Amino acid sequence: KQEVTQIPAALSVPEGENLVLNCSFTDSAIYNLQWFRQDPGKGLTSLLLIQSSQREQTSGRLNASLDKSSGRSTLYIAASQPGDSATYLCAVRRGAQKLVFGQGTRLTINP
Amino acid sequence: EAGVAQSPRYKIIEKRQSVAFWCNPISGHATLYWYQQILGQGPKLLIQFQNNGVVDDSQLPKDRFSAERLKGVDSTLKIQPAKLEDSAVYLCASSLGGRRSYNEQFFGPGTRLTVL
Repeated sequence: KQEVTQIPAALSVPEGENLVLNCSFTDSAIYNLQWFRQDPGKGLTSLLLIQSSQREQTSGRLNASLDKSSGRSTLYIAASQPGDSATYLCAVRRGAQKLVFGQGTRLTINP
Repeated sequence: EAGVAQSPRYKIIEKRQSVAFWCNPISGHATLYWYQQILGQGPKLLIQFQNNGVVDDSQLPKDRFSAERLKGVDSTLKIQPAKLEDSAVYLCASSLGGRRSYNEQFFGPGTRLTVL
């Protein structure tokens, strides 16, 4: 059974810092991994999707890496801003099977 | 391109009452998903449709939950009767589809259900 863990559960940093969010999964046989952002009371917004054959994806100040063999992914946020405050979720997918989500990291960027 | 639409956005009911949620996926998306997200947790898949057929409903509490997607487009999720532990956000998502699709899932805003 696939299990996804995100550490830390909560993170608070001053504005401008670079930061890394971690995601680990127990079954390395995945097709892709997706990072989402969730604002309070809102749905999920997809940030980055990494196929199993890829090592990383970049979008603006965000960079996500994937190491399938070790069952790990990281989301790097450069030059953090207060608007980055949200909960960040990672999820892994294996074929037609469901996305399995981590419990999320609640990020607060302090002005 | 319009996103995934859900209604209502909020619903408050008493335990043992019934409730229904509606989802309209992105046009052309064959696969539709319903997730349950309890406060402080990640979403958990309840049911996955490919067109109007069920692909996975292994985590759907079938004694009280039901879902349908009659014409392969819109979908409804029903809870009857509701319990206190059903309080959660119910998220609908869609993707282009295919049983072994690598496609990205797009999520709606969710319906926040409170059961009193």
